[in-house]
Order: sequence, then C-alpha cells, then structure tokens
Amino acid sequence: GAVVSQHPSRVICKSGTSVKIECRSLDFQATTMFWYRQFPKQSLMLMATSNEGSKATYEQGVEKDKFLINHASLTLSTLTVTSAHPEDSSFYICSARATGRRGSSPLHFGNGTRLTVT
Amino acid sequence: EDQVTQSPEALRLQEGESSSLNCSYTVSGLRGLFWYRQDPGKGPEFLFTLYSAGEEKEKERLKATLTKKESFLHITAPKPEDSATYLCAVQRETSGSRLTFGEGTQLTVNP
Repeated sequence: GAVVSQHPSRVICKSGTSVKIECRSLDFQATTMFWYRQFPKQSLMLMATSNEGSKATYEQGVEKDKFLINHASLTLSTLTVTSAHPEDSSFYICSARATGRRGSSPLHFGNGTRLTVT
Repeated sequence: EDQVTQSPEALRLQEGESSSLNCSYTVSGLRGLFWYRQDPGKGPEFLFTLYSAGEEKEKERLKATLTKKESFLHITAPKPEDSATYLCAVQRETSGSRLTFGEGTQLTVNP
C-alpha cells in the first residue's frame, strides 16, 4: 500500500519550453502533497506544499510563477516548470501522506523525475 | 531553524562488516524522526519512524535508535544490496507534514 506514482521519470526539453510532471497516489487519497527538488549528491529541498482544492504554499525563494502547482483531486498533483532554463535541470520528487493519517505518519515518495533542460 | 546533520558523508564496508550511521538533529519540538533509503535515480523509500528518546526499531539487518540529540542507524552484517544513500529527516510538532532532511550517508557494501 501507499504507492505514489510520478510521471514522467525522465524528460529532456529545450530552453524556454514548459514541462508538466504528474504525481498520483495510487491506493490512497492525499489532501496534501509535497514537491521536492534534489541536486546531485545533495539532500531533498522542499519547494512547495500542494493542497487539494486550494493554492499551493511555496517555500521561501521558490518562484510560484515559474513552478506552477495544481492539486485538482485527492489523488493527483501536477508541477509545471514554465519557461524552463538549464539551471532548472534537477531531480524533482513528490510525496504524499494518506488523508486521515496522524501527522507523524510517514510520507511516501514517488520515484522522481529527472529534468534536463538543453 | 531545524537542522539535521548526517555523518559520515560516505561509508565503505566489506560484506558482513557491521557499522553505524549518525544523524544529529536540532529541532524545536520533535514530532518524529524518519529514516529513508534512496537508491540512485529513485525516490526515498521509508524505513523507520522514531518518536521519542529511547525508542528502537528493527527491520532485517537495520536497527534505528533515538536520543534527544541524535539517531543511529545500525547495520548488522551488511550485504551488497544494502548499498544506498540513507537519509534522516525530522518533523516538528508545528510544521504539519513538512520534513527537514539531512544530506545523507552514501553507503557502499563491497562483496
């Protein structure tokens, strides 16, 4: 149980284009999902908290107009990297916790999306 | 500000050579400390949650312990398939589900 599916696993795009990454909770509902970014040999940095039916909450320093988050249902959140540049190349990972579980229940992570902007 | 420091950064072991990974943390009001395993190009895989000092949890060759300042992940008689990056994360009582991660320890177990 508690499977989080992320798609695509890899994407290469040209500078200036936009890329959408999907995060789905397959066997549970998730009111809240989280989007992380990870650079090589570094830890996960929280980018934003995605809330079903409302606006996402972004961490300090993360441009909300560049990283658009939509959480339209209890099982799907999307991250769109708009007008991508080479410095946006990174490993993006989503996570979720089952709705109704207590606050200290573990987050379950997707397998990440490797974005390369050329 | 919450801080999580993991050591060592990298660790090489021979198969069967037991060792421990350290996670030192500073957090105001710990709700939980989490250990994850991450394989290259994959998302983190949940291992353990520890809630209070003195708590211990085991899973196969892994045992996690917690004090008020640090957590240890003990690996007994490791196998090559235990090679991965091990991440420690803390959750504050007032931060909802947000986690603060350490930099990780990259473990390599040689056959």
